[in-house]
Amino acid sequence: AQSVSQHNHHVILSEAASLELGCNYSYGGTVNLFWYVQYPGQHLQLLLKYFSGDPLVKGIKGFEAEFIKSKFSFNLRKPSVQWSDTAEYFCAVMGLGGSQGNLIFGKGTKLSVKP
Amino acid sequence: DTAVSQTPKYLVTQMGNDKSIKCEQNLGHDTMYWYKQDSKKFLKIMFSYNNKELIINETVPNRFSPKSPDKAHLNLHINSLELGDSAVYFCASSQGVGTGAFFGQGTRLTVV
Repeated sequence: AQSVSQHNHHVILSEAASLELGCNYSYGGTVNLFWYVQYPGQHLQLLLKYFSGDPLVKGIKGFEAEFIKSKFSFNLRKPSVQWSDTAEYFCAVMGLGGSQGNLIFGKGTKLSVKP
Repeated sequence: DTAVSQTPKYLVTQMGNDKSIKCEQNLGHDTMYWYKQDSKKFLKIMFSYNNKELIINETVPNRFSPKSPDKAHLNLHINSLELGDSAVYFCASSQGVGTGAFFGQGTRLTVV
């Protein structure tokens, strides 16, 4: 079975600080990986995704993530956060093959950015 | 145009009632999902429906029943509502595996 763990429950940063949110997954086969963002009171929006190829993927709003297969990790990064980045961030994995087509989410990391 | 739309956006009802949440996607996707987000923001998949095949999450009570009249719709019917059913329910759709999912705006269900 697939599972996703996000290490940080709540991260508090000042504006312009650098961000790294951890994500590790558990699945024996090939996976596609995603990061979603949920702004307060809103639905989930896709930030970026990894399917194959270059393990460093760039998404919207200056976010990027690096897939490290040996560590089963897909950490999210941003060099300089803004107050508007305050939101809940979810890592998700979709296993490929068989019936593993469901998108499974981590428990989320709440990011609070102080102006 | 809204890609994935859910109705209603808010739903307040008494324990024991039966209610439905509707979901429609205009993206032409083959796969649709229902997720439940609890008060701690944890997202848990409830169902996925792909080309007439319904995949049921075994941990979901059988009071919850998805209904898909066609590929563009996946409605969620809930019988005998309980206090613990209070949550935000998100519908989503995707085209095949690995393409990521588009989410609806969510339905905030409050059972009193």
